[in-house]
Amino acid sequence: RKEVEQDPGPFNVPEGATVAFNCTYSNSASQSFFWYRQDCRKEPKLLMSVYSSGNEDGRFTAQLNRASQYISLLIRDSKLSDSATYLCVVNGLGDSNYQLIWGAGTKLIIKP
Amino acid sequence: NAGVTQTPKFRILKIGQSMTLQCTQDMNHNYMYWYRQDPGMGLKLIYYSVGAGITDKGEVPNGYNVSRSTTEDFPLRLELAAPSQTSVYFCASSPLPIRDSPLHFGNGTRLTVT
Repeated sequence: RKEVEQDPGPFNVPEGATVAFNCTYSNSASQSFFWYRQDCRKEPKLLMSVYSSGNEDGRFTAQLNRASQYISLLIRDSKLSDSATYLCVVNGLGDSNYQLIWGAGTKLIIKP
Repeated sequence: NAGVTQTPKFRILKIGQSMTLQCTQDMNHNYMYWYRQDPGMGLKLIYYSVGAGITDKGEVPNGYNVSRSTTEDFPLRLELAAPSQTSVYFCASSPLPIRDSPLHFGNGTRLTVT
């Protein structure tokens, strides 16, 4: 099993729709969780951290389910500009201050 | 505020050649990192540094070397380039350990080794 696993997609979604992705992680001791966004041929940028109680930032909601070891990202009222690859990131084993485990990403395409 | 600056943006190397990927940041971040990203794979950590004069290996350090003589600069050296090093390389920095703070990435260097 991969340490961090994501559905690669692509998810093709009409503008205005709601879309959700999950990401599963293998290390039950992980404490830090993030969603990054990466546009085509660009660098990753932090979208949001994921907190235990769940958190929201505008149209984006992140949830953590420790029992089933997954995090989720929900995007409401999707915009064309949301088209990107969404990377799930979890702190790694061992020297976890410096090691993050990155998922391969879920590609989202918003269609007009 | 430039953030994290990487050069070059693109490079083609022949097998066995060497090169240095430059990375500089102007945010006074102590922590700096080099990642590589291969198609269909998550980013992999090559080397990291927690401050000037201190570097350590990440997941995939073989074939690479780094130095950190100043807070600002963190160059990545490829010796004897191999086709397996064809990848996109990202330099990143953070003000705190990455478990606790976001990463600021440079624009990336696309390297092809033929």
